[in-house]
Amino acid sequence: ETGVTQTPRHLVMGMTNKKSLKCEQHLGHNAMYWYKQSAKKPLELMFVYNFKEQTENNSVPSRFSPECPNSSHLFLHLHTLQPEDSALYLCASSQGRRGQETQYFGPGTRLLVL
Amino acid sequence: RKEVEQDPGPFNVPEGATVAFNCTYSNSASQSFFWYRQDCRKEPKLLMSVYSSGNEDGRFTAQLNRASQYISLLIRDSKLSDSATYLCVVAPSGGYNKLIFGAGTRLAVHP
Repeated sequence: ETGVTQTPRHLVMGMTNKKSLKCEQHLGHNAMYWYKQSAKKPLELMFVYNFKEQTENNSVPSRFSPECPNSSHLFLHLHTLQPEDSALYLCASSQGRRGQETQYFGPGTRLLVL
Repeated sequence: RKEVEQDPGPFNVPEGATVAFNCTYSNSASQSFFWYRQDCRKEPKLLMSVYSSGNEDGRFTAQLNRASQYISLLIRDSKLSDSATYLCVVAPSGGYNKLIFGAGTRLAVHP
């Protein structure tokens, strides 16, 4: 149903591991986003890419490293994470124009850091 | 003060009831406003945009009061399938595509 896919859907990793989250959108959009959703807290915007260029880094720790090789793909590289980084990580995409526009979300990756 | 504040609920209502959610935002220069819906363990999806003149989509009515920095969502004739978390979302002025999400209001509709 959704035009935005994310893999893996679930991930358990240790604090010394390195892993990557992948997002792909099939909607022809030019803007892509990473959000973090922790229990009982609002969605937190992490990064925004417009036409493959990063236009927003919301003071995210360097242990999270985004990569956007093209307008359809977005990665989030993870290393030396902390248990408090356990959350649902959502990818979204939109047309990429200024102003009011709908963001379409992927199903998310549920991450547990041990 | 949080940028977008919502009553977390839960709102427990019977089928057929009318329920209203409120939301306040702190940035008076905010440009665009939305309600998103998030089902349990699912991703958020746009429910409706909110316009200054107010707008309606079937059983759902959204209102915006810029002077009071207040947004509302009214659901009439509630259905079991309306059970979800409703997220108030605000787009600040300027810049690209940045959305600020409220923590959400949970609605549970029971038979």
